[in-house]
Amino acid sequence: NAGVTQTPKFRILKIGQSMTLQCTQDMNHNYMYWYRQDPGMGLKLIYYSVGAGITDKGEVPNGYNVSRSTTEDFPLRLELAAPSQTSVYFCASNSDGFQPQHFGDGTRLSIL
Amino acid sequence: AQSVTQLGSHVSVSEGALVLLRCNYSSSVPPYLFWYVQYPNQGLQLLLKYTTGATLVKGINGFEAEFKKSETSFHLTKPSAHMSDAAGYFCAVLPDAGNMLTFGGGTRLMVKP
Repeated sequence: NAGVTQTPKFRILKIGQSMTLQCTQDMNHNYMYWYRQDPGMGLKLIYYSVGAGITDKGEVPNGYNVSRSTTEDFPLRLELAAPSQTSVYFCASNSDGFQPQHFGDGTRLSIL
Repeated sequence: AQSVTQLGSHVSVSEGALVLLRCNYSSSVPPYLFWYVQYPNQGLQLLLKYTTGATLVKGINGFEAEFKKSETSFHLTKPSAHMSDAAGYFCAVLPDAGNMLTFGGGTRLMVKP
């Protein structure tokens, strides 16, 4: 089982560039999440989705956008990259909001 | 809003020694509680969870945690550390209602030979 797959694994962006972080899961989970993890810190929720067509803001949504057109995919979009968005980004999913979340291996993003 | 405090961002133990990682949370009702482990360059993996019932929860790799409502704590322990236990450990709290998991800042466990 692939579980939760994130691409790319690493990326360097220039300030002001845009990019999309991809996340796909093959477990037919309704709930999907995006987190960021700054060095030495815990995870902070950026956006989450409880099903296709439904998304909602988490704790730190500014500077990001998401969409959920299918159950499997939950891409995260950075429109105007800023140095403060340098972080490791994790996608996760679960079958409902009370179950343990399954995490991808992360995307390490540097903005210079 | 929920908060989760993990005392000690770095903990160092000798191989074979007791591991104790502390987690305290703020909640007016008993929440769902989780411990996750993160190995280098990987995502988080579930170690154990508490939902309802028995307050002593056993997880993978010999870890266990005890939910103490009166102390609002969910400390993680392992009787004997192994070198392979060196990793980041994260406590997380899910309110009884709501979809947003709140993570503590994490504790990096180092195991000395």
